[in-house]
Amino acid sequence: DVKVTQSSRYLVKRTGEKVFLECVQDMDHENMFWYRQDPGLGLRLIYFSYDVKMKEKGDIPEGYSVSREKKERFSLILESASTNQTSMYLCASSWAFLDRDHNNSPLHFGNGTRLTVT
Amino acid sequence: SQQGEEDPQALSIQEGENATMNCSYKTSINNLQWYRQNSGRGLVHLILIRSNEREKHSGRLRVTLDTSKKSSSLLITASRAADTASYFCATDASSSGAGSYQLTFGKGTKLSVIP
Repeated sequence: DVKVTQSSRYLVKRTGEKVFLECVQDMDHENMFWYRQDPGLGLRLIYFSYDVKMKEKGDIPEGYSVSREKKERFSLILESASTNQTSMYLCASSWAFLDRDHNNSPLHFGNGTRLTVT
Repeated sequence: SQQGEEDPQALSIQEGENATMNCSYKTSINNLQWYRQNSGRGLVHLILIRSNEREKHSGRLRVTLDTSKKSSSLLITASRAADTASYFCATDASSSGAGSYQLTFGKGTKLSVIP
């Protein structure tokens, strides 16, 4: 079974702090994703990566950056945390974007990090 | 940008009953996926249906896809208390037919199965 591990389940940070959320997957997946989940808004894609050192912006990248120095690890960075970044953050991975029939590979999610910024 | 939208937002049923959730989307797709999320946990992939398929089964799950109506439904038969969770549909935002690297999720249906 694919395992996606997020380093913290709960995190409390102060406004203005630099915050690192870490995610590790153990299945040699090429692709990794960061989503945030908020009540009434569902899941929104922040950033994704399709290879080491490669990254693409998702729908809501403002205020965030990412780092992928190794294939198995994808970090989300909040440069200066703000209260509106209080949310559940979900990391996911997949082995390929599209199969030969142009179908997306299923995403494998971690259990999430609930971040509170005070 | 939201692609899939689930309906209803919340559903409460008795154990043993069937649960039906619907998903509507706006643009053409190559495939549609359904995920389950237990409270406070990550999402778990349930089933993928391709745009050229109309129905697919997996255990107690039955998914239908109507591309002319841009809608899908997830049916859970003989529901159990353990099925209590939120259910999400996810689509690729394909406009060219070549697929998309990005999966877009709906807001989910919260299912409660009462023992």
